Amino acid sequence: GAVVSQHPSRVICKSGTSVKIECRSLDFQATTMFWYRQFPKQSLMLMATSNEGSKATYEQGVEKDKFLINHASLTLSTLTVTSAHPEDSSFYICSAILVYNEQFFGPGTRLTVL
Amino acid sequence: AQSVSQHNHHVILSEAASLELGCNYSYGGTVNLFWYVQYPGQHLQLLLKYFSGDPLVKGIKGFEAEFIKSKFSFNLRKPSVQWSDTAEYFCAVNARSGGGADGLTFGKGTHLIIQP
Repeated sequence: GAVVSQHPSRVICKSGTSVKIECRSLDFQATTMFWYRQFPKQSLMLMATSNEGSKATYEQGVEKDKFLINHASLTLSTLTVTSAHPEDSSFYICSAILVYNEQFFGPGTRLTVL
Repeated sequence: AQSVSQHNHHVILSEAASLELGCNYSYGGTVNLFWYVQYPGQHLQLLLKYFSGDPLVKGIKGFEAEFIKSKFSFNLRKPSVQWSDTAEYFCAVNARSGGGADGLTFGKGTHLIIQP
């Protein structure tokens, strides 16, 4: 149980295009999901908290108009990187809360912007 | 805001050796503490967590960690490592006041290699 999936696992896009990444909790409902970003050989950095039915809460320094988050249902949150640039290339990881304060992580999505 | 420091970025041990990975945090309030492991090619998995109570917590795969409040530390230990423990280990915290729905602040990770 407590499986979180992400789709796609890898995506390559051209600069200026938008990319949507999906995060799904497969066998449980998650009111709260999180989006993290991981640069090569560095740690995970929290980008935003995604709450079902309400607006996402972004961490300081994260552009909300660039990283659009939609938590449309209790099992799906999406992150859309708008007008992507090479500096947005990174590993994006989502997590979902099943029980109090325990996050289950997805496998991540590798984004490469050419 | 919280911050987490992991002292060892790369650790190489032989099988059966004892392991201790350091983790210190900085935060003015009460925190919840976690250790996650990421095996090669896999997603992050929870090893153990501390919310309150006994400061010595036991996790999966024979790992344990001790919360020392006075030192702001939460070091991870295992008495005898195995080759299969080769992985990346992350210490993480979030604020207790968040009601259990706060994002995590991670340390930079420790890359552990166990030699047969």
